[in-house]
Amino acid sequence: EVQLVESGGGLVQPGRSLRLSCAASGFTFDDYAMHWVRQAPGKGLEWVSGISWNSGSIGYADSVKGRFTISRDNAKNSLYLQMNSLRAEDTALYYCAKDSTWRVQGLFDYWGQGTLVTVSS
Amino acid sequence: DIQMTQSPSSLSASVGDRVTITCRASQGISNYLAWYQQKPGKVPKLLIYAASTLQSGVPSRFSGSGSGTDFTLTISSLQPEDVATYYCQKYNSAPPGVTFGPGTKVDIK
Repeated sequence: EVQLVESGGGLVQPGRSLRLSCAASGFTFDDYAMHWVRQAPGKGLEWVSGISWNSGSIGYADSVKGRFTISRDNAKNSLYLQMNSLRAEDTALYYCAKDSTWRVQGLFDYWGQGTLVTVSS
Repeated sequence: DIQMTQSPSSLSASVGDRVTITCRASQGISNYLAWYQQKPGKVPKLLIYAASTLQSGVPSRFSGSGSGTDFTLTISSLQPEDVATYYCQKYNSAPPGVTFGPGTKVDIK
């Protein structure tokens, strides 16, 4: 059974940093691209970032480019999102999502339960 | 960038009704279109990909069609468990290829 478990969310002040983690199990992690997708309270879904199976291809939404960094550790079956210079508009539930293929295609066949990030003073 | 729109933004229908949701891309996207279902308080779930291919385990009352710029999601006979927000999504190479529509909220009348 595929499981994606996010952690690292919390309350943080504007301008500060936070690092999210996603622990994956139930599939061959290094065969698939992985993504972060977020959902602000009461709002729709927004793709944040994606990384290919070998970290060779990485993409970011314009809204986070230059502030967020995605990475993965295939030896630990883990995905990360380093979030710097956080803003109030980054407040959201952050989902870890598995891609259906090795490349950054953006078709999400499994999702974690999400970790909540609240940016507020 | 390609924008995705959906209509209606919300709808209310009776159990057993046929429900159709429309998604439109601002430019042609071939068939790189997926539909997700998000029930209240739950995680999004992939329903359909490649515009018309049903994800494994999804009930057959769900179907998708379209290509290019215009797509539809149809629920042939609405059930109480179908109450959810439905999102269309353009995919295939990110960035900037991943874009979600704004969602369509489906309720039971």
